[in-house]
Amino acid sequence: AQSVSQHNHHVILSEAASLELGCNYSYGGTVNLFWYVQYPGQHLQLLLKYFSGDPLVKGIKGFEAEFIKSKFSFNLRKPSVQWSDTAEYFCAVNAADSGGYQKVTFGTGTKLQVIP
Amino acid sequence: EAQVTQNPRYLITVTGKKLTVTCSQNMNHEYMSWYRQDPGLGLRQIYYSMNVEVTDKGDVPEGYKVSRKEKRNFPLILESPSPNQTSLYFCASSTPTGTSDSYSQYFGPGTRLTVL
Repeated sequence: AQSVSQHNHHVILSEAASLELGCNYSYGGTVNLFWYVQYPGQHLQLLLKYFSGDPLVKGIKGFEAEFIKSKFSFNLRKPSVQWSDTAEYFCAVNAADSGGYQKVTFGTGTKLQVIP
Repeated sequence: EAQVTQNPRYLITVTGKKLTVTCSQNMNHEYMSWYRQDPGLGLRQIYYSMNVEVTDKGDVPEGYKVSRKEKRNFPLILESPSPNQTSLYFCASSTPTGTSDSYSQYFGPGTRLTVL
């Protein structure tokens, strides 16, 4: 079974600080990887995704993530956070199970609070 | 406008009273899914559907039913709700097939359910 771990549950940063949120997954096969963001009171929105190719992917709002296959990791980064980045961030893995269906597993989320 | 809609947005009910939460998408997506979001647990997949009449259990299917009679609709049914089903529920849809948008999930606005 696939699983996703997000080790940072709550992160507090000052504006302009750099951000890195960890995500590790457990699955032996081919995976698609995602980061979603949930702003307070809103539904989830896609930040970025990795399917194949360049392991460094860029998303919206200046976010990027690097897929390191050997470490089963897909960490999210942003060089300089803003107050408006205050939100909860979810890493997700999409992998085909033995039946060929697509199960999606989310991490438990990381709450980011940016202090002006 | 491409969107996923859910109804109702808020629901308070009592134990044992059957309820249905509707979900509809206008993007002709094959894949639809239901999640529940609980503090500290992130999003957990309840059921998913790869296409019409094709559904499968996610990680927490107990106490829930789904149906997929039409491509656009994917209702979530609680036959006999219990207090441990009090949660925030999200419906999502995506297309699994060969586009740059594949597997990127579009989420509905959420349904906050309270079971007394």
